[in-house]
Amino acid sequence: AQSVTQLDSQVPVFEEAPVELRCNYSSSVSVYLFWYVQYPNQGLQLLLKYLSGSTLVKGINGFEAEFNKSQTSFHLRKPSVHISDTAEYFCAVRFNNAGNMLTFGGGTRLMVKP
Amino acid sequence: GAGVSQSPSNKVTEKGKDVELRCDPISGHTALYWYRQSLGQGLEFLIYFQGNSAPDKSGLPSDRFSAERTGGSVSTLTIQRTQQEDSAVYLCASSLNRVGEKLFFGSGTQLSVL
Repeated sequence: AQSVTQLDSQVPVFEEAPVELRCNYSSSVSVYLFWYVQYPNQGLQLLLKYLSGSTLVKGINGFEAEFNKSQTSFHLRKPSVHISDTAEYFCAVRFNNAGNMLTFGGGTRLMVKP
Repeated sequence: GAGVSQSPSNKVTEKGKDVELRCDPISGHTALYWYRQSLGQGLEFLIYFQGNSAPDKSGLPSDRFSAERTGGSVSTLTIQRTQQEDSAVYLCASSLNRVGEKLFFGSGTQLSVL
């Protein structure tokens, strides 16, 4: 079965430090890639997405992600985090041989410390 | 309403009872998804509705789970003879039917089976 893996379940980081949240997926078929964020006590919302074109995608709140086809990865990065970035981050993949199903990773809890 | 609405927000039930969870998608959104989020886990796809097409039920974990979408709008997820392992947050999302369109998530129903 096709899968999405977020290797880090928790990432603690100090405020203003850079951060990278890793995401890998299992298939070599063409994909659409997404990152969703869930702030405490809120619903999930889209952070950014890759459909085609430039492999570097910029999203809201200063986040960006890079699609690497050869490594089947879509890591999320931010050069300087804020306390308000504390949230759960989910990578999601739409595999183009799987209809409209969006497969989510297990999530990474980003904890920004002062 | 302006967003995806789910009810109830919390449901506590006894093992063996049936439960119904409701989702009211954003008006005009033809695609509707149900996901399940267990503690410390990612989002598990359950079922997908698109317009008048037959739903994609490939994610339903057992025949105790079923879902309907009436009139292409409101959806209900029914779990029969609930078990303790059904305890989770059940999330509904809707979207427009365009490639790569983002999902709008509801706040979820926290189901606790005692």
